[in-house]
Amino acid sequence: AQTVTQSQPEMSVQEAETVTLSCTYDTSESDYYLFWYKQPPSRQMILVIRQEAYKQQNATENRFSVNFQKAAKSFSLKISDSQLGDAAMYFCAYRSFMEYGNKLVFGAGTILRVKS
Amino acid sequence: DAGITQSPRHKVTETGTPVTLRCHQTENHRYMYWYRQDPGHGLRLIHYSYGVKDTDKGEVSDGYSVSRSKTEDFLLTLESATSSQTSVYFCAISERAGLGFTEAFFGQGTRLTVV
Repeated sequence: AQTVTQSQPEMSVQEAETVTLSCTYDTSESDYYLFWYKQPPSRQMILVIRQEAYKQQNATENRFSVNFQKAAKSFSLKISDSQLGDAAMYFCAYRSFMEYGNKLVFGAGTILRVKS
Repeated sequence: DAGITQSPRHKVTETGTPVTLRCHQTENHRYMYWYRQDPGHGLRLIHYSYGVKDTDKGEVSDGYSVSRSKTEDFLLTLESATSSQTSVYFCAISERAGLGFTEAFFGQGTRLTVV
């Protein structure tokens, strides 16, 4: 079974600065998807960014980018120019390409605090 | 926003009582999921459905049952609630897209407290 580990329970960043959230995963599969979800205090789960394992290029969405290291099974999220609205819980998630059903395996989450 | 509604949004119940949570979608998506969120564990899959009357167990299915009699509704039942089932419950939906799936869209969550 696949597992996802987020080793940073909490992180803090100054407004306008850059922060990197870490995620490692364990799998024996070669094809899969990786995601970062944001959960603000409203509890809504918001997809931030996704990465297909077969793509070597790191995904980017505006101020959010990932560093995907397939051999190391590492998938970190970089937030540039941090804003107060970025404060939230962030979850890293894994989805198998082969396994039926689009089931997600989540890490424990990292709380991001943004200081003004 | 994807049309997913969870009800109720909050519930307090007593140990040993049955509880049913409802997930309703207006997107006509085939796949529906129930997750629970607990501190230190993130979200964990309880059950999922891949069509009307087609369901399967997830990682933490003990003590839970589900039913899906219509495409739009997916019910999660705790037959006899226990304090360990105090949690926030999320419903999610997705659909096939080519060889893969759309992203998973989540409901707003239900906070269940078992006292």
